[in-house]
Amino acid sequence: DAGVIQSPRHEVTEMGQEVTLRCKPISGHDYLFWYRQTMMRGLELLIYFNNNVPIDDSGMPEDRFSAKMPNASFSTLKIQPSEPRDSAVYFCASRRQGEANVLTFGAGSRLTVL
Amino acid sequence: GENVEQHPSTLSVQEGDSAVIKCTYSDSASNYFPWYKQELGKRPQLIIDIRSNVGEKKDQRIAVTLNKTAKHFSLHITETQPEDSAVYFCAFKAAGNKLTFGGGTRVLVKP
Repeated sequence: DAGVIQSPRHEVTEMGQEVTLRCKPISGHDYLFWYRQTMMRGLELLIYFNNNVPIDDSGMPEDRFSAKMPNASFSTLKIQPSEPRDSAVYFCASRRQGEANVLTFGAGSRLTVL
Repeated sequence: GENVEQHPSTLSVQEGDSAVIKCTYSDSASNYFPWYKQELGKRPQLIIDIRSNVGEKKDQRIAVTLNKTAKHFSLHITETQPEDSAVYFCAFKAAGNKLTFGGGTRVLVKP
């Protein structure tokens, strides 16, 4: 298994630009989570999906952030327009329903907004 | 609300000594408590977990203890080695199916 795959690994963009981060969960995993990691705030849950349906998006910072999961093998996290304070590492993670709650993380997408 | 406090935020130990990290959680309904290790520039990876029906679990040099009455759990690393240097995160499964993470402990093992 290739694990959770995220792209891009690194992105540098200018303030105001649209950013799209992508995630492919482990095949057969029913849950997909998007986390943001910063030095100041640690690991924050932004949103999670179950069977492609958003369940809890209470962690999404504001309307500039949106996430979709059109099918079981793909999810996107979009920021539009981006701001310097959005600079962080964004992790996608997945797990299988009923399994021992073990969450597997992707390698992360490091976003820098200038 | 759902919250977990992790202490200390940094921990420096001599190689061969033990390291202990403690976490206190708020949700008494929590039943799953994992620990993740994150090396510099890498992803968090599960190293050990414990469920609410167990008080202690060991895996080689690492162990986790859980006190549900006091709502705290701890990670113990014995005979520390330089490769144990990393940031360690505790977490608990709160309402629903999400994990809430502690703020992390940066562990430095000095050779």
